[in-house]
Amino acid sequence: QQQVKQSPQSLIVQKGGISIINCAYENTAFDYFPWYQQFPGKGPALLIAIRPDVSEKKEGRFTISFNKSAKQFSLHIMDSQPGDSATYFCAASIFGNEKLTFGTGTRLTIIP
Amino acid sequence: GAVVSQHPSWVICKSGTSVKIECRSLDFQATTMFWYRQFPKQSLMLMATSNEGSKATYEQGVEKDKFLINHASLTLSTLTVTSAHPEDSSFYICSARDLQGRATDTQYFGPGTRLTVL
Repeated sequence: QQQVKQSPQSLIVQKGGISIINCAYENTAFDYFPWYQQFPGKGPALLIAIRPDVSEKKEGRFTISFNKSAKQFSLHIMDSQPGDSATYFCAASIFGNEKLTFGTGTRLTIIP
Repeated sequence: GAVVSQHPSWVICKSGTSVKIECRSLDFQATTMFWYRQFPKQSLMLMATSNEGSKATYEQGVEKDKFLINHASLTLSTLTVTSAHPEDSSFYICSARDLQGRATDTQYFGPGTRLTVL
C-alpha cells in the first residue's frame, strides 16, 4: 500500500514536444506529491510539488495534474528541451510522517 | 537557498575499511535528515532517518551496526560505512527537511557520494 507506481520507464520525446510521466498510488493518506529531477551522478532536485487540495499546479514549463479520485498524478513538460533529458522521480508522503516513497523513475531523452 | 552539501563526492576504499560521509545543510537548520542508497538506474531506497540529538531510525533490512549515523547538530549528519565490502559500493545520497519558513515536507537532496569498495 506504500508503493508509488511510475510509468513509463523510459521516454523519448522530440524537442518542442510534450513529455508526460504518470504516477499512481494506493495509500489515500498520502497528501504531498513532489517530483524530482536527477542528472547522472547528481542528487535529485525538487522540481515541483502539489497537495491534493488542488488539481493542477504550473511552474514555467512544468505542470502537475492531480486526480484524487483516481489516485493518480502526472508531470507534463511543455516545449521539452534537450536540457530536460534526465531521470524523473515522482514521490509521495504523509504530512507529519516525513518519509518519501519514491516511484521507480523515468529516464527522459529529448531528441533534436 | 535550501542547499545541501555532501563530502566527499566520491571515495574509493579497500575492503574492510570504514568510510565516513558528511551531509550538511548550508543555509537552513534541519532537525531531520535522511540517508538514501541508489543503485545504478534504480530508485532511491531510504536507509535511515536521522534526527538531531537522538538515535537514527533505520529501515527494515538496514544494518544499524554497519551503517552508523550521527546527527550531532542541526546542520550536520554523518554516515559511516563500517568494514566496507564491495557489495556496499553504491551512490549514497542525503536529504534534509527544511522547516524554517518554507513548505513543510519538502526535502532537499545533497549531490550524492559515490562509494567504491575494492
